[in-house]
Amino acid sequence: DAKTTQPNSMESNEEEPVHLPCNHSTISGTDYIHWYRQLPSQGPEYVIHGLTSNVNNRMASLAIAEDRKSSTLILHRATLRDAAVYYCILRDSGNTGKLIFGQGTTLQVKP
Amino acid sequence: DAGVIQSPRHEVTEMGQEVTLRCKPISGHNSLFWYRQTMMRGLELLIYFNNNVPIDDSGMPEDRFSAKMPNASFSTLKIQPSEPRDSAVYFCASSQNDPYGYTFGSGTRLTVV
Repeated sequence: DAKTTQPNSMESNEEEPVHLPCNHSTISGTDYIHWYRQLPSQGPEYVIHGLTSNVNNRMASLAIAEDRKSSTLILHRATLRDAAVYYCILRDSGNTGKLIFGQGTTLQVKP
Repeated sequence: DAGVIQSPRHEVTEMGQEVTLRCKPISGHNSLFWYRQTMMRGLELLIYFNNNVPIDDSGMPEDRFSAKMPNASFSTLKIQPSEPRDSAVYFCASSQNDPYGYTFGSGTRLTVV
């Protein structure tokens, strides 16, 4: 399974943008880049995914490097509710692509 | 859409007892995944099914663990006999058969004393 590398923790101030980096230098051409987050005492929650182009949705934006060896999850205005563990995961586009979670980045948001 | 439904939410059992965790995936999703989460090991994939068929059970820790998916709307994860080291939060997730996201349930917190 292709691996990802993320910082263990990051801090942000409320209402400021947050850029969460992820390195995936061994990504294959069929791997989608997925981001999930896990709020305290809850199950993981899908945030966004992409293949080659940058993606936007109501929760966040995903910026993918041209060589696809890294990506950045962007929260445009962090709120206290965004404090969570954020996971960057590569998912094979095959029919049974499974998600293998790493340790993720713990995001702390300060008021 | 009620999401992925897991039961029970909490389970406390004595060592040696049988434990059965249940999961109802989202209707129309044809992949189902069982994960276990502990502080030490994080989120571990135990087993996953596609169209009710077990595809990869390499994450199942030992023979005491078994999982079934008798139909598209129900799956169970059974531990027999249970041990204190099985204490964890067990998550079930379901997905469509494409690279879209998984939907996770709220989890079952298992405590084996």
